[in-house]
Amino acid sequence: EIVLTQSPGTLSLSPGERATLFCRASQSVSSSYLAWYQQKPGQAPRLLIYGASSRATGIPDRFSGSGSGTDFTLTISRLEPEDFAVYYCQHYGGSPPLTFGGGSKVEIK
Amino acid sequence: QLQLQESGPGLVKPSETLSLACTVSGGSISSSPYYWGWIRQPPGTGLEWIGHIYFTGTTHYNPSLESRVTISVDTSKNQFSLKLTSVTAADTAVYYCARHYSGWSLLYWGQGTLVTVSS
Repeated sequence: EIVLTQSPGTLSLSPGERATLFCRASQSVSSSYLAWYQQKPGQAPRLLIYGASSRATGIPDRFSGSGSGTDFTLTISRLEPEDFAVYYCQHYGGSPPLTFGGGSKVEIK
Repeated sequence: QLQLQESGPGLVKPSETLSLACTVSGGSISSSPYYWGWIRQPPGTGLEWIGHIYFTGTTHYNPSLESRVTISVDTSKNQFSLKLTSVTAADTAVYYCARHYSGWSLLYWGQGTLVTVSS
């Protein structure tokens, strides 16, 4: 079973600051099948990044993804007020076929 | 723009069967090259993948739920459905339907529906 561990659990930052979120897989995974989502309270998750580094349609370029093997990163270059939310990584492959990380919350400092 | 909408009872009794449908509008299930899936989120916690289906009826399930889950598709209604048997309080969650995209990411999501298991 592939386990995705996200860190930090909570990140306290101010608007305009840079946010760096991590997703570590318990074994090497294909970057083609690594995605990132943003979820705000009461809303469905929104796809931000697929294939580890490709932005989904309409996602601002302040969001970027990188990584390979077991270590992946989501970076928000300059936080906007609407970016304070919970972020999840997700991988496809192995058993179960699809897994999510436990989430990282970006909160206003 | 593709839209997905979950429907079904918001309250299910323990040991009974949870049944939800996802109606797709703005596109046809049978013309999509992507799978259609179900994901759930217990209150205050993270996301759990339940399973997914292709328009041909091919399914894959989370092994932790496989013995209790059935996902089916009705292309004539442009719907796919979830059945979860023998529910307990641990199955209380917001249930989302979604459509896959490149690299098995999930691009289109329904708004989610809260299902509470309680007598």
